Amino acid sequence: QSALTQPPSASGSPGQSVTISCTGTSSDIGGYNYVSWYQQHPGKAPKLIISEVSRRPSGVPDRFSGSKSGNTASLTVSGLRAEDEADYYCSSHAGSNIVVFGGGTKLTVL
Amino acid sequence: EVELLESGGGLVQPGGSLRLSCAASGFTFGNFAMSWVRQAPGKGLQWVSHINGAGSTTYYADSVKGRFTISRDNSKNTLYLQMNSLRAEDTAVYYCAKDPFYDSRRWFDSWGQGTLVTVSS
Repeated sequence: QSALTQPPSASGSPGQSVTISCTGTSSDIGGYNYVSWYQQHPGKAPKLIISEVSRRPSGVPDRFSGSKSGNTASLTVSGLRAEDEADYYCSSHAGSNIVVFGGGTKLTVL
Repeated sequence: EVELLESGGGLVQPGGSLRLSCAASGFTFGNFAMSWVRQAPGKGLQWVSHINGAGSTTYYADSVKGRFTISRDNSKNTLYLQMNSLRAEDTAVYYCAKDPFYDSRRWFDSWGQGTLVTVSS
């Protein structure tokens, strides 16, 4: 049940785009189209922002987009805004009845 | 609106027990699977356990298997996590999280605010 690999930090200026990667294996990301992304502000609960690789739940701005290639998934935040500053976690169904998370990426809006 | 409210956290000695509860509202509780996910201080998220809508199927992370038990009471719209033989490494905020389906273990569309469990002597 190893964690998915995310960069510990990412940053960008307001209005710019930032992409966060999430690397797994063929047993998780590469094997299923069930990658999800969560946004977590300090002291708050995680919030689903992307499911099934690229689906946005109702109410999530279209500035957030997801994709996947092989064993790596990506979250792109376009038109960065101050309120996007948060921790972002990827997750994937991993067969064997489990869900696995990435270690998290702290996004800083400069 | 979906609401999930955890309770039962606190300070417990190593080897002790604690039962967490998660009161759900705003949706038909028994139609959806639920999970517990934890976050150690300053660390990332870790899936802990999952239960299907009826409560008939359960799954556990290796780190808690044999020590934790997930259950639910659909008549009370409440999810539980019985934690026994607690260790220092179980110290974390415990979130209950709602599955978008009856039993999918794919993602979580709603989360509670969490309850802090501290295991220390």
